[in-house]
Amino acid sequence: DIHMTQSPSSLSASVGDRVTFTCRASQSISNYLNWYQQKPGKAPKLLIYAAASLPSGVPSRFSGSGSGTDFTLTISSLQPEDFATYHCQQTYITPGTFGQGTKLEIK
Amino acid sequence: EAQLVESGGGLVQPGGSLRLSCAASGFTFSNYWMSWVRQGPGKGLEWVANIKEDGSEKYYVDSVKGRFTISRDNAKNSLYLLMNSLRAEDTAVYYCARDFKVRVPNIEVAYNWFAPWGQGTLVTVSS
Repeated sequence: DIHMTQSPSSLSASVGDRVTFTCRASQSISNYLNWYQQKPGKAPKLLIYAAASLPSGVPSRFSGSGSGTDFTLTISSLQPEDFATYHCQQTYITPGTFGQGTKLEIK
Repeated sequence: EAQLVESGGGLVQPGGSLRLSCAASGFTFSNYWMSWVRQGPGKGLEWVANIKEDGSEKYYVDSVKGRFTISRDNAKNSLYLLMNSLRAEDTAVYYCARDFKVRVPNIEVAYNWFAPWGQGTLVTVSS
């Protein structure tokens, strides 16, 4: 199985900050990388697919980049509703494994 | 709007069985792969199983092979997960999700992602 490692495991930031999350795959996955946002007690929600594509309805302050083994998710200007846990997922090889998540907290 | 609603979770003893259901609405259920994903207490997400549009292909994570069975009834717009020989480590919130696949010409591996997800149903395996 491909192992996905997210860093940091938690991050404190303020409204208006620019934040970046990192996800690293144990082997190359091209751009088969998705990001999900999960708020406490809620189901995950798709944020980014194919490393850099935004689904309809996701604010443009979210962006994704990367290819191969290293990927980033960036929020350009944090809003109060963005404080949540962010998960990456590779879908290059079955099973589609997830990272352990990065929890974004209010500073 | 596409929606998924899970049911069937609960408390079960080790070695017991449980059947989860997921009711789909707002989209043509029979046109999509579907998946089950779980999240143990305080843990990350783990894909469990998926099933092709017509039910002809099914795949499982190694830890549930031979114990869990995924199925679907397209006439009822419903997805199921039959869980047998349950273990304490199966304790988790179980989500169903639409497994959206896109094939790009000349590219071997299809892109896929999960959207939407249901609200989840809690399965607790304990004596």
